[in-house]
Amino acid sequence: DTGVSQNPRHKITKRGQNVTFRCDPISEHNRLYWYRQTLGQGPEFLTYFQNEAQLEKSRLLSDRFSAERPKGSFSTLEIQRTEQGDSAMYLCASSQMTSGSYNEQFFGPGTRLTVL
Amino acid sequence: AQKVTQAQTEISVVEKEDVTLDCVYETRDTTYYLFWYKQPPSGELVFLIRRNSFDEQNEISGRYSWNFQKSTSSFNFTITASQVVDSAVYFCALSANFGNEKLTFGTGTRLTIIP
Repeated sequence: DTGVSQNPRHKITKRGQNVTFRCDPISEHNRLYWYRQTLGQGPEFLTYFQNEAQLEKSRLLSDRFSAERPKGSFSTLEIQRTEQGDSAMYLCASSQMTSGSYNEQFFGPGTRLTVL
Repeated sequence: AQKVTQAQTEISVVEKEDVTLDCVYETRDTTYYLFWYKQPPSGELVFLIRRNSFDEQNEISGRYSWNFQKSTSSFNFTITASQVVDSAVYFCALSANFGNEKLTFGTGTRLTIIP
């Protein structure tokens, strides 16, 4: 399967614990995006990378959140000292950026985080 | 700032009826892209269509059609002869420039097709 994959699909943790999610984009895609979706809402942008460079971070991304894409391939999103408000679906998407043309973002299945 | 409004939270129609999902957007950009995504119960967002701000032609794809009106900042989506498999949450989204930037989503419309 050559789509975007995310692991784990589900994560249950206790408040105060750290969690890390992984996203593997479509192999030739140079852009990778993270979004968060809470119940009954649309996805909200968190951050994105072009290759290994993190180009933009939302104000939603507090100091407890950190994302990396060390080799320009897979990405990790870590949440430290989780809070109940962090409970959400975390979505990853990828696209191929080429000058002057549009390429849509393809989404993965998401990681559902529940903080108890 | 960009904003997408989907005023219809939930819609239920009987199978084979036509249904229109509304989307109104706000942006200061002169060049932008509009999208519709479908999110079935499985949760994965499925891309349906994109439209750039320079192309106001309506588009039809099978039972789906889209009406883009720049004058009213609307990008409405119509499903003709609805089917049970159309039941899902539908999101309208907006992006600046060539669409390789972040997507701003609306809150979604939950569509239920009653057999």
